[in-house]
Amino acid sequence: DGGITQSPKYLFRKEGQNVTLSCEQNLNHDAMYWYRQDPGQGLRLIYYSQIVNDFQKGDIAEGYSVSREKKESFPLTVTSAQKNPTAFYLCASGASSYNEQFFGPGTRLTVL
Amino acid sequence: GENVEQHPSTLSVQEGDSAVIKCTYSDSASNYFPWYKQELGKRPQLIIDIRSNVGEKKDQRIAVTLNKTAKHFSLHITETQPEDSAVYFCCYSGNTGKLIFGQGTTLQVKP
Repeated sequence: DGGITQSPKYLFRKEGQNVTLSCEQNLNHDAMYWYRQDPGQGLRLIYYSQIVNDFQKGDIAEGYSVSREKKESFPLTVTSAQKNPTAFYLCASGASSYNEQFFGPGTRLTVL
Repeated sequence: GENVEQHPSTLSVQEGDSAVIKCTYSDSASNYFPWYKQELGKRPQLIIDIRSNVGEKKDQRIAVTLNKTAKHFSLHITETQPEDSAVYFCCYSGNTGKLIFGQGTTLQVKP
């Protein structure tokens, strides 16, 4: 909650541009997650990482990429290959998948 | 595959009444079942969770029950208040290192 941050809060990009969303946590959590939420919809998992230097695709990974070079950071890049990138993006972290996930405040991405 | 069905999708109750949301999951190996509340435009926040070694857990007006045999778990909110209005998500932890989220229930508490 207070220990996981996302920036920026709002992001506007032109179609065809790549954009990177930041996610940082100081909770010493091993696991980190990226979700996409469309209006009136649930959470869909994009990518997740259970440990540094390792990550797995979620349910909707196409058009996205991630890296996990540091325990504290899990940036998400929305590439031009993502056909409909306008959405609310939520990052989360947890000690493991069997523990509470703490969500960041989210980034609202609008592609013009 | 990993899946959880959540019902109802929308629920409207009068203030003071009870609300019940039900979920059915597919993975028998699951042992962690959290519930998240998301207010409009905000991040989801954990409201209660239960592990498979217990059948029921209560925290003030909120309770969760788990039936592992039937693969059902439910959220019960008593004496609802307008501030309970939000979207509620049930989840379970699958065996692939991720949480599986339900589709969400929009709860409206009418004053």
